[in-house]
Amino acid sequence: GQNIDQPTEMTATEGAIVQINCTYQTSGFNGLFWYQQHAGEAPTFLSYNVLDGLEEKGRFSSFLSRSKGYSYLLLKELQMKDSASYLCAVGSDGGATNKLIFGTGTLLAVQP
Amino acid sequence: DADVTQTPRNRITKTGKRIMLECSQTKGHDRMYWYRQDPGLGLRLIYYSFDVKDINKGEISDGYSVSRQAQAKFSLSLESAIPNQTALYFCATSEGDTQYFGPGTRLTVL
Repeated sequence: GQNIDQPTEMTATEGAIVQINCTYQTSGFNGLFWYQQHAGEAPTFLSYNVLDGLEEKGRFSSFLSRSKGYSYLLLKELQMKDSASYLCAVGSDGGATNKLIFGTGTLLAVQP
Repeated sequence: DADVTQTPRNRITKTGKRIMLECSQTKGHDRMYWYRQDPGLGLRLIYYSFDVKDINKGEISDGYSVSRQAQAKFSLSLESAIPNQTALYFCATSEGDTQYFGPGTRLTVL
């Protein structure tokens, strides 16, 4: 079966660091994606991991362990505008089909 | 101008009506997708298309149909809308690893 798990909600303080975890069990693996989605808006691409390890992009970093079926998104120096839902998604087909399976998202609330 | 556009942005309709949601893109991507998003369920794939002649069902295609009129246009139809099709619908395109989403259509079926 296909299953992606991430926490439903998290709360963090402005200026702090937060880690959002994602575990997955899928029939195939073609990369792991993180998207940010503000309420009522379109998801926007944050990061992509296909190999194990850490990818850093400014305040955001994403980590992948394929053997553990595990990823996390790390947000540093939190800002109020980071309050959003963060979607973990797995590319489950081989090759370049780009079919994504999404988790239900983690709603992050950043407090002053 | 937005790269992926959807019309309408909001629609309220009645049970049994036929509805068409349209998606256009200027990114020049061959691959296009339709998703629906429901609270607590995340984004689920309805249909996807790799080019004008290639249409594939996603995980929840029942009650929906699509048309790929051109590389830039991908339409989603609800032949006879029902209340549990009330949702936020997103179109997306891709080339390579990343999908790019349109702004969404909020559909309410009464």
